[in-house]
Amino acid sequence: DADVTQTPRNRITKTGKRIMLECSQTKGHDRMYWYRQDPGLGLRLIYYSFDVKDINKGEISDGYSVSRQAQAKFSLSLESAIPNQTALYFCATSDGGSQETQYFGPGTRLLVL
Amino acid sequence: AQSVTQPDIHITVSEGASLELRCNYSYGATPYLFWYVQSPGQGLQLLLKYFSGDTLVQGIKGFEAEFKRSQSSFNLRKPSVHWSDAAEYFCAVGSSYGQNFVFGPGTRLSVLP
Repeated sequence: DADVTQTPRNRITKTGKRIMLECSQTKGHDRMYWYRQDPGLGLRLIYYSFDVKDINKGEISDGYSVSRQAQAKFSLSLESAIPNQTALYFCATSDGGSQETQYFGPGTRLLVL
Repeated sequence: AQSVTQPDIHITVSEGASLELRCNYSYGATPYLFWYVQSPGQGLQLLLKYFSGDTLVQGIKGFEAEFKRSQSSFNLRKPSVHWSDAAEYFCAVGSSYGQNFVFGPGTRLSVLP
């Protein structure tokens, strides 16, 4: 089984709808991240969480919110989706430490019409 | 703030040819450097990472990368490319105990038969 899973893998929604993307991990890591990927821009950080009680905004948090329900679960919400939120979304985890390495889920492809 | 550039948006090589993907970073302290690969429809897989020590780092799938501090570079190499190497490659820079992974825009690799 994959260490980092994301659901759904693909989603089509309409402008103005609220949607939630979910991430679960079995790596036992404290740190979790949400990124979006757009062609030619690489990955950009939306939100990150160092533990259940710690949530931080990343580079492009406007229009998004997150919830860290447990060490293993980190959800990303789009309160009112807009077309320019169409992108590939990745969840990642890391164990922190002096040699931090991030491990990624398979991604969720979101299309906002 | 750290930044990463990957000068080549798209590279095409013939199967069996050698490969070098360029990565340049900007970071004030000692950087931690990573290469990830994203195959079509897949998440990001860690190829290799550099934290300290030997500046030539070996990774999975026959890849290696060399850290050159004087050139602020961390180029990825493979002596003989296989058709299955066709993918997008991302260079990233991180920091000790840091929360900021910064990704480059990616280089798409095509492999001709």
